[in-house]
Amino acid sequence: DSGVTQTPKHLITATGQRVTLRCSPRSGDLSVYWYQQSLDQGLQFLIQYYNGEERAKGNILERFSAQQFPDLHSELNLSSLELGDSALYFCASSVAPRGGNEKLFFGSGTQLSVL
Amino acid sequence: AQSVTQLDSQVPVFEEAPVELRCNYSSSVSVYLFWYVQYPNQGLQLLLKYLSGSTLVESINGFEAEFNKSQTSFHLRKPSVHISDTAEYFCAVRRGNQFYFGTGTSLTVIP
Repeated sequence: DSGVTQTPKHLITATGQRVTLRCSPRSGDLSVYWYQQSLDQGLQFLIQYYNGEERAKGNILERFSAQQFPDLHSELNLSSLELGDSALYFCASSVAPRGGNEKLFFGSGTQLSVL
Repeated sequence: AQSVTQLDSQVPVFEEAPVELRCNYSSSVSVYLFWYVQYPNQGLQLLLKYLSGSTLVESINGFEAEFNKSQTSFHLRKPSVHISDTAEYFCAVRRGNQFYFGTGTSLTVIP
């Protein structure tokens, strides 16, 4: 158990809908990262937050947004969903922003299926 | 519960020396196995994967990993490392739609 909790584990929705994925980082970790993965492929970095502030942005679509709350949990909001948004969404956390030897801890993912 | 153990947090190795990054997983059912690499200041990339078939899988940059079901291991090896191999390496297991990641091994290649 990495200590990173993602909910829900599975989400099935329809095109055009909006969903929210939630991530609770490890206790004490200030940095949260969101990744998107198509099955069996590499992870695509979406966005990173550190202590409530956006730290880095990757290939995140404008239809997607995220935030990190004062209690350090993070939510990834996906709107106007399309079939191609079906993927596994991972959250990871670390104590501090990456750059040193901080370890990255991954949640087990949320499987999003857009029908 | 699934778990993935990467026993070595940091592995320093001299250039052109061989390296093995260890990965063990706990599972009594079939799983799919992956190694990801994260180069400094970059996102994670898929290095290699085992889905079925030959238990030895290779990447395009000289790494290989062998699936050992009896030892529940999927160690990553390279016979001769380069400076450019300096990165963090993550082992992962997929069971169904759930992925389970190890905590990563930081490989530092010393000139």
